[in-house]
Amino acid sequence: KQEVTQIPAALSVPEGENLVLNCSFTDSAIYNLQWFRQDPGKGLTSLLLIQSSQREQTSGRLNASLDKSSGRSTLYIAASQPGDSATYLCAVRLSGGGADGLTFGKGTHLIIQP
Amino acid sequence: DGGITQSPKYLFRKEGQNVTLSCEQNLNHDAMYWYRQDPGQGLRLIYYSQIVNDFQKGDIAEGYSVSREKKESFPLTVTSAQKNPTAFYLCASSRLAGGYEQYFGPGTRLTVT
Repeated sequence: KQEVTQIPAALSVPEGENLVLNCSFTDSAIYNLQWFRQDPGKGLTSLLLIQSSQREQTSGRLNASLDKSSGRSTLYIAASQPGDSATYLCAVRLSGGGADGLTFGKGTHLIIQP
Repeated sequence: DGGITQSPKYLFRKEGQNVTLSCEQNLNHDAMYWYRQDPGQGLRLIYYSQIVNDFQKGDIAEGYSVSREKKESFPLTVTSAQKNPTAFYLCASSRLAGGYEQYFGPGTRLTVT
């Protein structure tokens, strides 16, 4: 059964710093990996989607990488801002077997100090 | 505006009552999903539907039921058989099943006392 782990569980950094959030998964047979942002009491906002054949995706100050063979992904946030404060969730979609849906990690709670 | 709507935002029910959560999308997506989120836990898949009139159980389907009579609608019923129904429920959709990006609604917080 696929398991997704996110490290660290919480992170607090001063504004302006670059930071890296980590995600690991146990089964490398994935269609894709998706990074989400969740603000308190809200739904999920999709940040980046990396297909299994890709190594990285970029959107603005965000860069996500994928190393499928080692079961790891990182989300790099450049020049962090207080508005980046949120919980960041990593999720993988398994390939094959007929099943569907995402398997999520528990998230990294990020606080950017002004 | 295209998107996913969930209603209501907050729902309160007494123990022993069934309750139905609404999920509607106007993205013309074939696949729809229901997840449950509990404090300190990752989202867990309840049910999913890859096409109209078809749906499959996810990891935690016990005590829940769904229907998919229309492409744009995927309501979730939380029955009295669900032992711990209090949670945040999130609906999602994707263009097709498989390797497509999932988009989420704003969620419904259900409290059962």
